[in-house]
Amino acid sequence: EPEVTQTPSHQVTQMGQEVILRCVPISNHLYFYWYRQILGQKVEFLVSFYNNEISEKSEIFDDQFSVERPDGSNFTLKIRSTKLEDSAMYFCASSEALAGDTQYFGPGTRLTVL
Amino acid sequence: AQTVTQSQPEMSVQEAETVTLSCTYDTSESDYYLFWYKQPPSRQMILVIRQEAYKQQNATENRFSVNFQKAAKSFSLKISDSQLGDAAMYFCAYRSGTSYGKLTFGQGTILTVHP
Repeated sequence: EPEVTQTPSHQVTQMGQEVILRCVPISNHLYFYWYRQILGQKVEFLVSFYNNEISEKSEIFDDQFSVERPDGSNFTLKIRSTKLEDSAMYFCASSEALAGDTQYFGPGTRLTVL
Repeated sequence: AQTVTQSQPEMSVQEAETVTLSCTYDTSESDYYLFWYKQPPSRQMILVIRQEAYKQQNATENRFSVNFQKAAKSFSLKISDSQLGDAAMYFCAYRSGTSYGKLTFGQGTILTVHP
């Protein structure tokens, strides 16, 4: 069964450093998403992406964040200058269509900012 | 803005018994979708069941079923014949029919299954 994959599974970085989290969505999916989950808290939407453009973003997704689909398979989330409060689990998801379609989640990347 | 509330931080059930997890949501929209996701200790989010707001019939998936009360804005999940593998965090989620895919999650309910 096709699945969303994410790398790395765990990333440790120093405050102020740039990180890139990588995702490979399911191959025939057209809509891509990033969510984050701070430990012990609920999952929060960051951004949705379609046709090489951001479709929707939350207040969390400020200028420090960017997303890109550099090729036909990868979908990346970049955090330009990490802060301690960026420590969280980051989930990538994808869906085939938009209208109410199910989003399939990857296993997540645990980001630890020291 | 839509909100999703799960009022039960923790629930427990005996193996083979039935448990119901509660979820309420607040929206002024008529077109939306509701989901239950399961998050086991591995932390991967796994879809359990989904419900379209325009459908009156409650969704079912094997041992999982929902009680969707649109007027009351309630969307509870019933797990029948609970199994040890059902132990996880369960999240209720809402998606507007007019959004670009944003899921709004509740706070989650930790389900413990006792043998």
